[in-house]
Amino acid sequence: KAGVTQTPRYLIKTRGQQVTLSCSPISGHRSVSWYQQTPGQGLQFLFEYFSETQRNKGNFPGRFSGRQFSNSRSEMNVSTLELGDSALYLCASTPLGLDNSPLHFGNGTRLTVT
Amino acid sequence: GESVGLHLPTLSVQEGDNSIINCAYSNSASDYFIWYKQESGKGPQFIIDIRSNMDKRQGQRVTVLLNKTVKHLSLQIAATQPGDSAVYFCAENSNAGNMLTFGGGTRLMVKP
Repeated sequence: KAGVTQTPRYLIKTRGQQVTLSCSPISGHRSVSWYQQTPGQGLQFLFEYFSETQRNKGNFPGRFSGRQFSNSRSEMNVSTLELGDSALYLCASTPLGLDNSPLHFGNGTRLTVT
Repeated sequence: GESVGLHLPTLSVQEGDNSIINCAYSNSASDYFIWYKQESGKGPQFIIDIRSNMDKRQGQRVTVLLNKTVKHLSLQIAATQPGDSAVYFCAENSNAGNMLTFGGGTRLMVKP
């Protein structure tokens, strides 16, 4: 079974631009979560989607948003990019929830904001 | 590869020795805990998990111990191999959703 797939692998953007990252979960997984990883803050939860609905949201500004499609694929968007948004963005999926199965992560999208 | 932490605590062990990586978690209401391994350029890889109704769980070459009294979690790796070199993260879940709170990570270096 294929793992979590994230595209693109690398992105370079300029301050003020916006960016969209894509995630395809493991087949059959309906829950998709997004995390930001930086050297300073570590791994921080952004949001989680289940059946096209945002189920949980972390403590990030409104510039960070996401959505999930009917096939469980998810996208996250960051608008008005800031230098501090440079990070590894990780997507993770699970069939239903942590009650049943751990999160399985993709290899991330490395975003650099200049 | 990507840097996952510039100032991580580091554990250096000899190949073949056992490794113990410790983690102090923050929320006494947490009821589910996971250990992940992250290699350079990759996302976190699931190693083993444990629920709060257990205090020990074993996998292949790995054991997780949970001490709820002192909010402490440990990962034991038996017969550590060079391929075990990576950053290890503990994570806890304390709500009904799928949000994980991660620890800062420990870098394991295995000397041949």
